[in-house]
Amino acid sequence: EVQLVESGGGLVQPGGSLRLSCAASGFTFSSYWMSWVRQAPGKGLEWVANIKQDGSEKYYVDSVKGRFTISRDNAKNSLYLQMNSLRAEDTAVYYCARAPPGGYFDYWGQGTLVTVSS
Amino acid sequence: EIVLTQSPATLSLSPGERATLSCRASQSVSSYLAWYQQKPGQAPRLLIYDASNRATGIPARFSGSGSGTDFTLTISSLEPEDFAVYYCQQRSNWPPGYTFGQGTKLEIK
Repeated sequence: EVQLVESGGGLVQPGGSLRLSCAASGFTFSSYWMSWVRQAPGKGLEWVANIKQDGSEKYYVDSVKGRFTISRDNAKNSLYLQMNSLRAEDTAVYYCARAPPGGYFDYWGQGTLVTVSS
Repeated sequence: EIVLTQSPATLSLSPGERATLSCRASQSVSSYLAWYQQKPGQAPRLLIYDASNRATGIPARFSGSGSGTDFTLTISSLEPEDFAVYYCQQRSNWPPGYTFGQGTKLEIK
């Protein structure tokens, strides 16, 4: 069974940093692109970043470029999102998602809430 | 950047009725379009990929159609558990990334 479990969310002050983790199991993690998708409270879904199987390619939505860094450790079956210079508008539930070939997300974690507030 | 526009924003129907949800892209996305269902407090669930392929375990009452810029998600006969928010999503090659529509809330009439 495919499982994605996020952790690391919490309350952080504007300008602060946070590192999210996603533990993957039930599939060959190193064979898939992986993504982070977020959802602000009461709002829709927004893709944040994705990373190639070997970590050699990474892409970001414009609003987080230069502030967020996606990474992975295939030996640990884990995905990460380092978030720096956080802003109030980064407040959201952050989901880890598997991205098979074809451009969609077939499995999602349960999400972790990040709240940026003073 | 490709923009996806979903309509209607809210759809009020009764169980047993047929639901038709629309997603329009600002430029052609070929058949690279997916649909998701999201219930309150839950992660999105993939329903349809490549415009018309049902994901694993998705009931046959869900179907997708369309190509280019106009896509439709149809639920043939609504079950009580189908009332949720539905999102369409596309992948773009340049700039690399994904975008979602703003969602359609399917509510019980």
